[in-house]
Amino acid sequence: GNSVTQMEGPVTLSEEAFLTINCTYTATGYPSLFWYVQYPGEGLQLLLKATKADDKGSNKGFEATYRKETTSFHLEKGSVQVSDSAVYFCALRRYKLSFGAGTTVTVRA
Amino acid sequence: DSGVTQTPKHLITATGQRVTLRCSPRSGDLSVYWYQQSLDQGLQFLIQYYNGEERAKGNILERFSAQQFPDLHSELNLSSLELGDSALYFCASSPGTANTEAFFGQGTRLTVV
Repeated sequence: GNSVTQMEGPVTLSEEAFLTINCTYTATGYPSLFWYVQYPGEGLQLLLKATKADDKGSNKGFEATYRKETTSFHLEKGSVQVSDSAVYFCALRRYKLSFGAGTTVTVRA
Repeated sequence: DSGVTQTPKHLITATGQRVTLRCSPRSGDLSVYWYQQSLDQGLQFLIQYYNGEERAKGNILERFSAQQFPDLHSELNLSSLELGDSALYFCASSPGTANTEAFFGQGTRLTVV
């Protein structure tokens, strides 16, 4: 079946550091890919999405590119802020919506 | 604000009891999903409804049941509660069953004591 694997955390960074969270997927057909973010005490919010190969999703300085050849959708941000501290979930949708385990990111001032 | 409303926000109940969680999807969304989030198991898919019909079932216990009503709101019923059922329960909605994103509510935090 369809599944998502993302790098385990927790990840701790200093402010202005570069962030990468790896995500790979297994799916039949052509799924859509998403990154969701969950801030402390809140629900999941859609951060960005890509619906076909080579699409780049971007939002709030975060980017991820849908790579079909490597079945990957890695999340990157060039300069993180304390306010980016959250749990990040990679997700895939091929009819059913499947999530990775989540990566906890903590950014220190 | 995602447009998905969940009530109540917090619920504390005793073992063996039954509770009902409610979800109102975004206006126009026909699909509703339920997820359970616990500290050690991440986000677990429970069940999906589309326009009143069950569409997909995940790791939902037999003690749990759900339904989607004609006005498209959904309820998740949890019975014979155990301590291990303590978790955050999220509802999400999307327009249909195609590969679009889903929008999440703020969740209901259930504590079983």
